[in-house]
Amino acid sequence: GESVGLHLPTLSVQEGDNSIINCAYSNSASDYFIWYKQESGKGPQFIIDIRSNMDKRQGQRVTVLLNKTVKHLSLQIAATQPGDSAVYFCAEKQGAQKLVFGQGTRLTINP
Amino acid sequence: DVKVTQSSRYLVKRTGEKVFLECVQDMDHENMFWYRQDPGLGLRLIYFSYDVKMKEKGDIPEGYSVSREKKERFSLILESASTNQTSMYLCASSSPRPEQFFGPGTRLTVL
Repeated sequence: GESVGLHLPTLSVQEGDNSIINCAYSNSASDYFIWYKQESGKGPQFIIDIRSNMDKRQGQRVTVLLNKTVKHLSLQIAATQPGDSAVYFCAEKQGAQKLVFGQGTRLTINP
Repeated sequence: DVKVTQSSRYLVKRTGEKVFLECVQDMDHENMFWYRQDPGLGLRLIYFSYDVKMKEKGDIPEGYSVSREKKERFSLILESASTNQTSMYLCASSSPRPEQFFGPGTRLTVL
């Protein structure tokens, strides 16, 4: 079946560096993608989304890039801070309302 | 801001007990979802509802049922809890937009 997956389960970066979290998806017909952040003991929190008619979307310190040719999605976090430590999930819209989630990448920040 | 609340943060039950997990959202969202989250398996959809008294099975409905008698409330029921249902349970809601808003989660342990 269709699935959304991540290249790496963990990522460790120095405070102040940029972080890049990757995600591969398999359904070439997908038209909407979301990134979520989940801190320890909390539910996932929306970060940014992108529709398939866009290649790039920017938010506050975050950028999502979509490469439809290779079915790849990435989340870039600029100037990573300790508060960015969390598990990050990509999700792909399936049907009218459902989302299919990737496994998640744990981002840790080194001081 | 959308607020999704879940009745308990932590719950301990015994095998064979009937368990009710309650979820309430305050933004008049049509769609509500129940997921379970397990290490290495990400978020898996149990059931969802797109209207009062309407429900659809997700990817792993076995051993669960749901109830949606009012628009703001979506209940997950474990008819006879088993140890393999020990997990983090997450509720979410969404409007016609695909972005889902999550509650804080209920960590259920079945002994």
